[in-house]
Formats: sequence, C-alpha cells, structure tokens
Amino acid sequence: QVQLVESGGGVVQPGRSLRLSCAASGFTFSSYGMHWVRQAPGKGLEWVAVIWYDASNQYYASSVKGRFTISRDNSKNTLSLQMKRLRAEDTAIYYCARGSDCSGTTCLPDAFNLWGPGTAVTVSS
Amino acid sequence: DIQMTQSPSSLSASVGDRVTITCQASQDISNYLNWYQQKPGNAPNLLIYDASNLETGVPSRFSGGGSGTHFTFTISSLQPEDIATYYCQQYDNVPYTFGQGTKLEIK
Repeated sequence: QVQLVESGGGVVQPGRSLRLSCAASGFTFSSYGMHWVRQAPGKGLEWVAVIWYDASNQYYASSVKGRFTISRDNSKNTLSLQMKRLRAEDTAIYYCARGSDCSGTTCLPDAFNLWGPGTAVTVSS
Repeated sequence: DIQMTQSPSSLSASVGDRVTITCQASQDISNYLNWYQQKPGNAPNLLIYDASNLETGVPSRFSGGGSGTHFTFTISSLQPEDIATYYCQQYDNVPYTFGQGTKLEIK
C-alpha cells in the first residue's frame, strides 16, 4: 500500500526540541524528493523543507532555517524533521509529502502527489 | 521569496456553475505551478501539476492554465463534493510557496 505516515508530534514547551518522523511504504522511497509542509490552526499551507532523493541537498523556509533539519534514511524508508528552539508560531499540523520522482534520466515535476495524514505539534508553556 | 496571490479568498457558487480561481506570482515561474484541494480535516490532494496537467484519477471537470505570472484554475461544473479549500503552489524556486487559499462554498 502506497502511503506516508507521520509520527512524533505532541505538546512541547517553547525553546525545546522535537523530532518528527515519516514512514514511507509501497514505493521506491530512495527515488523521490521529500518535503515537509505545515498548517497552523485555521491557516493555509506553508512549505517547510525539502530533501533531494539522494540527500545531496536540503532547503528550508526562512521561518525555520537554522532551527529545523530535514534528513532521510533510504535504507529504512524514513524521513525526519529535527526541530529545535521551538516557538509558539511553530504550532501546526506537519505533513510529509512525496515530491519529484528522480528514478529516470531526469526528475519529474516536483508535485506533491502523496501526503501523510499529518502529525500535530503544539508549542505551549 | 516568490509571493503567490490567489483570488478570490472565498467563493460561493451553485451546483453546476463554472468556477474560476486565479493565482498571480510575483515573478515569472514559467509553468512550475501546482493546484491542490484540501477538504476539512484531511491532507491536501494534488489536482493539477505543471499549470495544466491533470493528475491521474482527477475528474476532467478540473482544469488549469496559464504561464509566467498569471494562472487560472477552473471547475467546469461545480459538484457538491468539490466543497473545499484550493491552493496554488509554485516550485520554480526554493523556498516553495503556496497561495493563501480559496475557500469554495455551495450557494
């Protein structure tokens, strides 16, 4: 079954850290770029970070750069997001999403055609 | 960062109506634009990629167009199950950015 499932969310105090995970199954994880996207309560979607299929590059939103780290383990089909120095404004549902398929000679469009159900992060004292 | 401006922010229409949403990019993004549908309590769902390509399995009443800085998303005949919030998203440059969303309601 082709799916993504996030875990690791919860309630955390401001300034603390949290690590999110995303387990992939049913497809060749190592061929795809992977993203984190978040959605604050009642708000729109905000792209957070991307990691290339081979982990050779990572990019971040300005709002999380220097605090969040995206990583992947292609041997375990797992994507991670290490979040440090958390702020109240980081409160959101965090989704992992599958991006560009790079299994061919060139990568296909970076359209997020598979999403997990999300994991909720609340930053509050 | 590239700013994506969607309009309208909300829209009320009747079943069977033709509905169009626009998305304006702050700079030329070629056709590197996607459209997503999000229903309450659910993750987003990809409808259109590369501005005008229909994702597999998506009903043909959905379509997209445009290039450069101006894009459109159209539902040719609104159905009750289309009630959702719709987002455009550019992937020409990181950081990728989404529009603020258009909430579609049935009149």
